[in-house]
Amino acid sequence: AQKVTQAQTEISVVEKEDVTLDCVYETRDTTYYLFWYKQPPSGELVFLIRRNSFDEQNEISGRYSWNFQKSTSSFNFTITASQVVDSAVYFCALRRNTGFQKLVFGTGTRLLVSP
Amino acid sequence: DSGVTQTPKHLITATGQRVTLRCSPRSGDLSVYWYQQSLDQGLQFLIQYYNGEERAKGNILERFSAQQFPDLHSELNLSSLELGDSALYFCASSVIGASGGTQETQYFGPGTRLLVL
Repeated sequence: AQKVTQAQTEISVVEKEDVTLDCVYETRDTTYYLFWYKQPPSGELVFLIRRNSFDEQNEISGRYSWNFQKSTSSFNFTITASQVVDSAVYFCALRRNTGFQKLVFGTGTRLLVSP
Repeated sequence: DSGVTQTPKHLITATGQRVTLRCSPRSGDLSVYWYQQSLDQGLQFLIQYYNGEERAKGNILERFSAQQFPDLHSELNLSSLELGDSALYFCASSVIGASGGTQETQYFGPGTRLLVL
C-alpha cells in the first residue's frame, strides 16, 4: 500500500524566514511520481511540482526548492524568504508509475506566515 | 486558473436529498478524477473516468455515482445525503499520453463546497 506522511501539522514563521515542509512516503513500487500542491485560504488546489522517482536531482523554482532523497523516502519542500502570500496548506502526494492511478495525499501542513 | 471548472461553488442542502456536482475538464484532457476533502478523512480519491469510461474506483460510497459525458464533462451524483457527506469535492483532469499516462499531472478545479444540514 502507498502512504504519505506529513508529520508537521502546522508551522508558523515570520516573513522572510526560510521554512521546510517535510514529506515522507511509503511505496513498494520501484518507480513512482511525487507531487506538491498548495491550498490557499480560497480553497483551490494548486499544482506546484511533479518529480519522477528515477530523477533525484533537486529542483529550484524562484523561492521554492525541493529535495528528493530516495534513500530516506523523503521529498521535502523549502520556501526561502517566506512571504505572507505563502500562507496556505501544502499537500504532498504520491502516484504509481502506471496509467490511470489515483493520487495518495498526505494530511497536509498548514503554513502561517506573519508579517 | 487551472482550466478546470466546477459548479456550483457552494451547495447547501438537507439530509436525505440528492445533489449533482458538475465538472468541465481542461481543454484536451480526457481523464477526470473526483476527490473528497473532509476534516476527518483528508483528501480521498473517489473515482476516475477516462474518455467516458470508468477506470478506477476509490473510497466511493454506493450512494454516490458519477459519469462522464461525450463532451468530456463529468457529473458526480450524491444521494440520500447524510451530515457526514459535508465536504469539499474536487474534480481534477489530466491528459493521457500515448504511453498510457504515466507522466500525467492532475490539475484541480476550485471545488464544490457541500454542506448538508
